[in-house]
Amino acid sequence: RKEVEQDPGPFNVPEGATVAFNCTYSNSASQSFFWYRQDCRKEPKLLMSVYSSGNEDGRFTAQLNRASQYISLLIRDSKLSDSATYLCVVNVAGGFKTIFGAGTRLFVKA
Amino acid sequence: DAGVIQSPRHEVTEMGQEVTLRCKPISGHNSLFWYRQTMMRGLELLIYFNNNVPIDDSGMPEDRFSAKMPNASFSTLKIQPSEPRDSAVYFCASSFWQTFQETQYFGPGTRLLVL
Repeated sequence: RKEVEQDPGPFNVPEGATVAFNCTYSNSASQSFFWYRQDCRKEPKLLMSVYSSGNEDGRFTAQLNRASQYISLLIRDSKLSDSATYLCVVNVAGGFKTIFGAGTRLFVKA
Repeated sequence: DAGVIQSPRHEVTEMGQEVTLRCKPISGHNSLFWYRQTMMRGLELLIYFNNNVPIDDSGMPEDRFSAKMPNASFSTLKIQPSEPRDSAVYFCASSFWQTFQETQYFGPGTRLLVL
């Protein structure tokens, strides 16, 4: 089993749609969680950190369920510019080890 | 700030040749990470440094790979000898690590093709 698993995608949605991505992690000692975004042929960039209480940044909402070892990302009112690959990222407690999920591709079409 | 700088941006070499990838982290950052990205395996952490000291190199695929960080502003990843299966995008990232919530800032990557 992979340490971080994501929905395989791709997700093809129309502009204005709401889309949700899921991610599960296997190490119960994982300490911190993030969503990164990677555009085609570009480097990953932080989209948002994920806190235990859940957090929101504009159209983006991230949630963490430690009991189920599950992270989610919700994008409301999708824009064409949201088309990218979304990477779920987990830091393992006790060190710097960062594990990236394989990513979920999102295509938003007009 | 210029961000994380990597060089070269593209490298094409022949099997058996030595390849050296370079990275300049963001000034003031104390942690540096080397990743490799391929379609098949996704983004893999190869090695990370904290305060110029290698902390965990368990992700380095084999002895042909080595990484150094002689000072806070420079790191290299070397492959010797290179093989076609090393073809990938290699990213360097840096962060200022105090707690686990620190953001990693990635460089633009080096696209390596080994023929």
